[in-house]
Amino acid sequence: DIQMTQSPSFLSASVGDRVTINCKASQNINKYLNWYQQKLGEAPKLLIYNTNNLQTGIPSRFSGSGSGTDYTLTISSLQPEDVATYFCLQHSSRPRTFGSGTKLEIK
Amino acid sequence: QVQLKESGPGLVQPSQTLSLTCTVSGFSLTSNSVSWVRQPPGKGLEWMGAIWSGGSTDYNSALKSRLSISRDTSKSQVFLKMNSLQTEDTAIYFCTRSSKFDYWGQGVMVTVSS
Repeated sequence: DIQMTQSPSFLSASVGDRVTINCKASQNINKYLNWYQQKLGEAPKLLIYNTNNLQTGIPSRFSGSGSGTDYTLTISSLQPEDVATYFCLQHSSRPRTFGSGTKLEIK
Repeated sequence: QVQLKESGPGLVQPSQTLSLTCTVSGFSLTSNSVSWVRQPPGKGLEWMGAIWSGGSTDYNSALKSRLSISRDTSKSQVFLKMNSLQTEDTAIYFCTRSSKFDYWGQGVMVTVSS
C-alpha cells in the first residue's frame, strides 16, 4: 500500500497569509493526487484534482503542485472561511490512501 | 446535478452485520465507479472498497474478509455489507463517486455498541 505522509498536522496562520500543506507518497503516484477541504460535520469538498487542476467553483487562491512523491497545496491568501481540515488522496494505485489531515486555524 | 446519499442504521450491535445504501442521482453507475470511505470519530479517512462501472469490485485488504459491495443499477443504488462489527468500526461512512472522487455524500454515522 502507498503511504501518504501529510504535514503539518496542525497549522495556525493569520488572515492574508500564504499557507502550504504537504503530502509525501511512499512511491511515485504520477500526479494522481487530490486535495480536499472538510469542515466540521460536512462531507469532504474536492479542491484540486490530479495535482494542479482547480475544481469548478473553488476560489483561485487555492492551488496545487508537485510530482513524483511530493505534493503541495497552497492557499495564497488565507481567508476566515478557510478554517477546516485539509487532506490529500492518492488515486494512483489500489488501495486508495489518504493523508492524515492538516487542521488549519486562524491566529 | 450529481448527488449521493447514504442511508442505514445508526446503531449496530457488536458481532452483527452493517448494511448501508448509497442512492445516487445525476450520473450512471454503469459509467462511474462508487467507493465507500469511512472516518472514525476524530480520525482520518480510510478507503474501504469500490464497485467499478462494469460491476467488478475491489476491497481494502484490511477489510476484505468482512466486506461486500454490490449495486442495483435500475435503482441507482450501491450497497455495503460488513459483518462481524466491532467497536472500532464506529465511524462516519461516506460513499463517493470514485471515477474522480469528486462528489461525496453527507455521510452516515454508525455506532457499534451493545
